[in-house]
Amino acid sequence: AQKITQTQPGMFVQEKEAVTLDCTYDTSDPSYGLFWYKQPSSGEMIFLIYQGSYDQQNATEGRYSLNFQKARKSANLVISASQLGDSAMYFCAMNGNTGKLIFGQGTTLQVKP
Amino acid sequence: DTEVTQTPKHLVMGMTNKKSLKCEQHMGHRAMYWYKQKAKKPPELMFVYSYEKLSINESVPSRFSPECPNSSLLNLHLHALQPEDSALYLCASSQGQGVDYGYTFGSGTRLTVV
Repeated sequence: AQKITQTQPGMFVQEKEAVTLDCTYDTSDPSYGLFWYKQPSSGEMIFLIYQGSYDQQNATEGRYSLNFQKARKSANLVISASQLGDSAMYFCAMNGNTGKLIFGQGTTLQVKP
Repeated sequence: DTEVTQTPKHLVMGMTNKKSLKCEQHMGHRAMYWYKQKAKKPPELMFVYSYEKLSINESVPSRFSPECPNSSLLNLHLHALQPEDSALYLCASSQGQGVDYGYTFGSGTRLTVV
């Protein structure tokens, strides 16, 4: 069975600063994918970044980077230079061989001006 | 076209009503998904269709009935729902089922059962 854990229900960050959102996972699948999504209050699920389990390098997409530590089973999201529009719920998710995408409990991020 | 379109955006229905949610994509994706999301909770997988066949049913009550008429369209038929079924229903699609495929989500249907 797969499991995703996000231990930070809520986070605050000052505008223009960097913030790290934590995610740990557990799976018995030999290959898997890790995803981060942003969900504003409007409800749409916005894809941010993807890391495959066999990728040697950490994924980066603009201001988003994924700190992947396979041995520790962690996949933390780093947002650099936070903006007011980054305020939202953030979900870590993973899939495996079945194709099921399962989500962690989410972290609410609030960016302060 | 890189979107998943869900209609309606909002739906209010009585417990004796029958209604349907619609999801459409034209990206050639062969896997489609229904998720249910309660407020401040993560999305929970309900159904997965792969090549127009139901491949995963996460023990969803029979008052929710999925249908995949063709590779672009996914419906969720609703009948005799309960107030606790009020939630955001998200549809997603991917090129296939498996590790290497990303998912595209629709913007959801906010369902209220009265």
